[in-house]
Amino acid sequence: TQLLEQSPQFLSIQEGENLTVYCNSSSVFSSLQWYRQEPGEGPVLLVTVVTGGEVKKLKRLTFQFGDARKDSSLHITAAQPGDTGLYLCAGVIPNTGKLIFGQGTTLQVKP
Amino acid sequence: GEEVAQTPKHLVRGEGQKAKLYCAPIKGHSYVFWYQQVLKNEFKFLISFQNENVFDETGMPKERFSAKCLPNSPCSLEIQATKLEDSAVYFCASSQSEQGGTEAFFGQGTRLTVV
Repeated sequence: TQLLEQSPQFLSIQEGENLTVYCNSSSVFSSLQWYRQEPGEGPVLLVTVVTGGEVKKLKRLTFQFGDARKDSSLHITAAQPGDTGLYLCAGVIPNTGKLIFGQGTTLQVKP
Repeated sequence: GEEVAQTPKHLVRGEGQKAKLYCAPIKGHSYVFWYQQVLKNEFKFLISFQNENVFDETGMPKERFSAKCLPNSPCSLEIQATKLEDSAVYFCASSQSEQGGTEAFFGQGTRLTVV
């Protein structure tokens, strides 16, 4: 059974602080995707990382894929209240398109 | 269409009743995936289709759950004789390919409440 451990599951910080969310697995993924989900909505893709060691930046968000394609991190610089929400990592199982989701990180950024 | 359309948005069923959920994938997408989200965050893969063919059904409960994707019709997920533990949000996603770098687009989900 493939598992993707995401941590922390809850994070409450002040505006302007930095944070990092981690996703770790013993399984190799063909890619790793990060989603953001708002209440009552489906997950919306933020980024896909495909190559081991790949780093992608999306404004204040930096995503990294581990060299062995088993783990990933999301770093947010100078968090803002608008960053508040649920962040999900999901590993893509090779040749299936199937997503294995982490447990999610509920982020609250206080003004 | 340009988005994955799921209906209904909310569904309430008494224990033992049947529930049927629908998903219209994005036009041109060959793959459809069903996921169950329980306890607010935990996503569980149920089944995937490549066009009208079952591609991967390793997550489908052996009993009571069935799914179809027929040509020119929305895909459907049916639960016979619902149980309390079936209460969850069911998401459908579609993508152009099963390859790793391909984006899966999610619908807004159907919230099933079994009472």
